[in-house]
Amino acid sequence: DIQMTQSPSTLSASVGDRVTISCRASQHISPWLAWYQQKPGKAPKLLIYKASTLESGVPSRFSGGGSGTEFTLTISSLQPDDFATYYCQQYYTYSNTFGQGTILEIK
Amino acid sequence: QVQLVQSGAEVKKPGSSVTVSCQVSGGTFTNFVINWVRHVPGHGLQSMGGIVPLLNTANYAQNFQDRISITADRSTSTVYMDLNSLRSEDTAIYYCARGQGSACTGGNCYFDLWGRGTLVTVSA
Repeated sequence: DIQMTQSPSTLSASVGDRVTISCRASQHISPWLAWYQQKPGKAPKLLIYKASTLESGVPSRFSGGGSGTEFTLTISSLQPDDFATYYCQQYYTYSNTFGQGTILEIK
Repeated sequence: QVQLVQSGAEVKKPGSSVTVSCQVSGGTFTNFVINWVRHVPGHGLQSMGGIVPLLNTANYAQNFQDRISITADRSTSTVYMDLNSLRSEDTAIYYCARGQGSACTGGNCYFDLWGRGTLVTVSA
């Protein structure tokens, strides 16, 4: 299986900050990479697919980038609703796999 | 609108089996690819496998291949996930999710619509 490694594991930030979460794949997966947001007790929510395409209804402060094996999720100006756990997912292969998650917490 | 409606919470003994269902409402069942993803407390998300109801073909993640079965009932627009030989480490929230993507034919999909999740607790 393709291994997905996110960094950092935990990120402390303040409202209004610009933050970036990284995701590295163990092999080339471009552009089959998605990002999700999950809050406690809730199902994951799709934010980005095909590395950089914003899902309908997701605020434009979220953006995705990268190619090959290195990808990023950027939130341009953190809002209170953005504090959550974020996961990347590769769907290059039938055995899709997720990163271990990045907890975005309030500083 | 389209919804994925999952069955209720389960408590199971180690060594037993569990069946979790996912009913598609508000959409054409045979147009969908449905996958199962679980969230183990304190751990991340783990894909388990999926099914294409139109073709009735299922694919399974290697970690679960020997003890999982995913089936679809087109008459009730319902997908079932059976997991056997349960152990305490299987305690998790199990989600069904709709697969999307230009090349999505099974597990090679991203997931744009999720069920609310089913808590399965495995305890003696």
